[in-house]
Formats: sequence, structure tokens, C-alpha cells
Amino acid sequence: NAGVTQTPKFQVLKTGQSMTLQCAQDMNHNSMYWYRQDPGMGLRLIYYSASEGTTDKGEVPNGYNVSRLNKREFSLRLESAAPSQTSVYFCASSTLVHEKLFFGSGTQLSVL
Amino acid sequence: ILNVEQSPQSLHVQEGDSTNFTCSFPSSNFYALHWYRWETAKSPEALFVMTLNGDEKKKGQISATLNTKEGYSYLYIKGSQPEDSATYLCASPNYGGSQGNLIFGKGTKLSVKP
Repeated sequence: NAGVTQTPKFQVLKTGQSMTLQCAQDMNHNSMYWYRQDPGMGLRLIYYSASEGTTDKGEVPNGYNVSRLNKREFSLRLESAAPSQTSVYFCASSTLVHEKLFFGSGTQLSVL
Repeated sequence: ILNVEQSPQSLHVQEGDSTNFTCSFPSSNFYALHWYRWETAKSPEALFVMTLNGDEKKKGQISATLNTKEGYSYLYIKGSQPEDSATYLCASPNYGGSQGNLIFGKGTKLSVKP
């Protein structure tokens, strides 16, 4: 089983450019999440989708948008990238909200 | 947003040593406590999800206990091996579980020397 697949693995952007991080899971999970990991910080939730058709802000949503395209896919969009968005991004999914999370392999994003 | 604290920040032990570390969280509005293991260059993997006061979970040589009244959880590793080297994260849902926000601690980085 592939589990949680996110693309791309690495990306370099210039300030002001836009991009979309893709995430898909094949475990029939209802809930999906986007986290960012920065040095010296814990994983911080950007947005989550408790179930297909719903999305909600997490702890650090500013500068991001999300789309729950269907039950399998949850994308994260940076409309106008800023250097403060340089981070490692993780997609995750779970059966239901607050059940154990299954993480993707991460995306290393640098904004110059 | 609640604070999840982990200590120590890092730990260096010899192969065969047993070790433990702590996760503390606000005891009011408790919903659940998660433990994850995060190896370098990999993704976090779930170890345990605990919900009941006094709960104990075990997976191989790793075990965890939960005290929701005083707001702490211990993770124990018996007879550490080099392959146990990783960062161990704990997390708890915000707002007593009424929202999807799982708040993570900054982790305890364990290094086991052969």
C-alpha cells in the first residue's frame, strides 16, 4: 500500500510565485491535514479537513489555501510565496479526527 | 491553544540502557494523547494513542503511561538499541477535542550509542 503520497519532495520558489502541494491517501481515511515543521518548533497545523467537503483553519493558516478535491486528495496552495514559508511540509491522514495520524514523506520548500 | 511540553529536549544513552521521557499537557478538557516516533529523513510514525487515565500501552520494548488528572505521560524504552535513535513526539488535541488541531510538543531527541 502506498499510504500517504505527497508531491513534490523538493521545491524552490522565488518570492511571489505560486505553487500547489499535492497529497493523496489510499487508506479510505476521512480526515486529512497539512502541517509544517520549522527548526525549534513542533509540527504546526496549517489546515485540516475533518471529512470530504469540509476544511478548517489550523494554527498557522495565513498565506495558504486548501482544497479537499475528493476523499483521497487534499491539496495545499501558496498563492504568493514568502520567505517565511520556507519549511518542511507534511500531509497526514487519519480514520477520523484525533485518531492516529499517518504521514506522507514531506516536501522541503525553499522560498528565496 | 494548549501547550504540550516535552522533556528532556535531548538524551544520549548507551546501548542496553533503559530510559524514559516526559510529555506534559493541560489536564483540563483532556481528550487524547498521541506518541509518535520520528527517525531522521523519515516521516513520523504513530506509536500510541491513549485516552483513559491510568492507561498503559506497550509495543515491543517501548511502553507509555498516562495520567490525565495531573497532565503527564511517560514514554519508557527498556534496553535501548541504536535503532531506537529518533525524535519522540507527543501531541494532544486542542480545545478538548472540539477542533481538529492536534498540538505537538517539540520532541525528545534520543541518541543510542553502540
